[in-house]
Amino acid sequence: EAGVVQSPRYKIIEKKQPVAFWCNPISGHNTLYWYLQNLGQGPELLIRYENEEAVDDSQLPKDRFSAERLKGVDSTLKIQPAELGDSAVYLCASSLTDRAPYGELFFGEGSRLTVL
Amino acid sequence: AQTVTQSQPEMSVQEAETVTLSCTYDTSESDYYLFWYKQPPSRQMILVIRQEAYKQQNATENRFSVNFQKAAKSFSLKISDSQLGDAAMYFCAYRNNNDMRFGAGTRLTVKP
Repeated sequence: EAGVVQSPRYKIIEKKQPVAFWCNPISGHNTLYWYLQNLGQGPELLIRYENEEAVDDSQLPKDRFSAERLKGVDSTLKIQPAELGDSAVYLCASSLTDRAPYGELFFGEGSRLTVL
Repeated sequence: AQTVTQSQPEMSVQEAETVTLSCTYDTSESDYYLFWYKQPPSRQMILVIRQEAYKQQNATENRFSVNFQKAAKSFSLKISDSQLGDAAMYFCAYRNNNDMRFGAGTRLTVKP
């Protein structure tokens, strides 16, 4: 069974440019998460989807970040325009459900963004 | 909001020895789950062990075990017979209905 797939693995852009990250969760997983991970830190939630509905986007900087999960399967996270401080790893994760009993989250390998 | 604290930014252990990583958390909930995740360099995070708060028995997975102290809100990870492949960042995580939060992580070095 394929795991969580993310692309691109690495992206280098200049500030003010747009960038997009793509995530395909494990088949059948209804819940999808986007996390931001700064160097040497733990992941911080950006947005959580239950199927196609964004159920928690309170930490998403909506002035420059946007996300979508059409048809409740794969998802795209966009930054426009990118700033120097956006350099980080963007992690996608999925889980079977967002209801108890809470199972584990399965993570992708991440997309490392460098903004110059 | 729930917070997860890992007070040890770095830990080191000799191969074949035992090491304990600390984690404390803050919550007003009674029903929640706790996790330890491992993140090797440039690789994806994988689950090490999971503990349900309603279970008093500490979870174990082969060489990995936890010491769950609910009243103290403490959830430490013990790695026995450490191996070189255990070297990684270890993240403690808390999950309940509305939230999953991670600690800042502990970098574990295993010395041959």
